[in-house]
Amino acid sequence: SQTIHQWPATLVQPVGSPLSLECTVEGTSNPNLYWYRQAAGRGLQLLFYSVGIGQISSEVPQNLSASRPQDRQFILSSKKLLLSDSGFYLCAWIAGTGVYEQYFGPGTRLTVT
Amino acid sequence: AQSVAQPEDQVNVAEGNPLTVKCTYSVSGNPYLFWYVQYPNRGLQFLLKYITGDNLVKGSYGFEAEFNKSQTSFHLKKPSALVSDSALYFCAVSRSARQLTFGSGTQLTVLP
Repeated sequence: SQTIHQWPATLVQPVGSPLSLECTVEGTSNPNLYWYRQAAGRGLQLLFYSVGIGQISSEVPQNLSASRPQDRQFILSSKKLLLSDSGFYLCAWIAGTGVYEQYFGPGTRLTVT
Repeated sequence: AQSVAQPEDQVNVAEGNPLTVKCTYSVSGNPYLFWYVQYPNRGLQFLLKYITGDNLVKGSYGFEAEFNKSQTSFHLKKPSALVSDSALYFCAVSRSARQLTFGSGTQLTVLP
């Protein structure tokens, strides 16, 4: 079966500290991978997407970055967190061609203090 | 550019009554349309999609949606609401099916 994992589930970090969130998928090869942020329990903002290893497209310029070191691994990072980085971070994927819907991971709740 | 509007932040309906959650979209060309549901502190769950074909699409948990090209709408419906349907619902549109644009979400509350 195809599954998606995110960790950690929750994270509290001080302003100025680094960040690393990880997303991994199982049961498929060469998926499209996405990072979204959801603020205040509402709309989703696409941050990054990747169509393959080392291929990252950024949708919103900010102090976040993404990397895809392996086919089924997608990492969201920051060197120095801001208060405005607080939110619910969601990883999503599309499994191959002929599939149109994105499937989401369980999310990471990040609070920057 | 593509966009989605969910005109109602909140929809309340009594259990057993039909429910409708509204969505209109703007996209050049033929749209790919999706509905997702989100429970508190959880990821989004896929409900249904319209890609092509019949305008009435059936999905998970008894939900359905009707694609109306002339009105550029894709409203989510269910004949009989359950208390467990209470959640946040998102409509999304894509031109390429690779990048989705989401609406702002509608909070559905089903009252017992």
